Amino acid sequence: DTGVSQNPRHKITKRGQNVTFRCDPISEHNRLYWYRQTLGQGPEFLTYFQNEAQLEKSRLLSDRFSAERPKGSFSTLEIQRTEQGDSAMYLCASTWGGRTEAFFGQGTRLTVV
Amino acid sequence: TQLLEQSPQFLSIQEGENLTVYCNSSSVFSSLQWYRQEPGEGPVLLVTVVTGGEVKKLKRLTFQFGDARKDSSLHITAAQPGDTGLYLCAGGGTGGFKTIFGAGTRLFVKA
Repeated sequence: DTGVSQNPRHKITKRGQNVTFRCDPISEHNRLYWYRQTLGQGPEFLTYFQNEAQLEKSRLLSDRFSAERPKGSFSTLEIQRTEQGDSAMYLCASTWGGRTEAFFGQGTRLTVV
Repeated sequence: TQLLEQSPQFLSIQEGENLTVYCNSSSVFSSLQWYRQEPGEGPVLLVTVVTGGEVKKLKRLTFQFGDARKDSSLHITAAQPGDTGLYLCAGGGTGGFKTIFGAGTRLFVKA
């Protein structure tokens, strides 16, 4: 399978703990996006990378959130000191060239208890 | 701030019926995408429209991009239970590569 892969699929954590999610994009895709989706809503943009450069971050991305894409391939999203409001589906997507359509992974569902 | 509004929010219909869902904005988009998402999964791309007035057909689904590139519609003919899901529209901005999403239309097709 050469689609976008996200791990883990599910994560339950206690409030105050740190969590890290991983996204492996489609191999030839140079752009990678992170979105957050809560129940009944569409995905909300968090940040995106072109190769290893983080080009835009949403104001939704508080200082507890950090994302990296160190070699322009896989990416990680870390949430420090999790809060119950962080519970959501975290989606990763990738694309290439000048395209705006993106290919999504299956997401990581985070539950903060 | 660019916003995409989708209507209706929820639609429940019988198998065989036709339906149209809408995606509207006051902003101009360089392109619009439609995705379908099933529970617990990521969105799956259905189509991209880029030219004002463009119409694209995908089997029983017809997508239209407004002349001014501010709105779009998705029409489904003879809906089937397999069409059940969350239909999302997404807009590519006129600056940069950020894509924003509407809140979606949740469709339920009863057998």
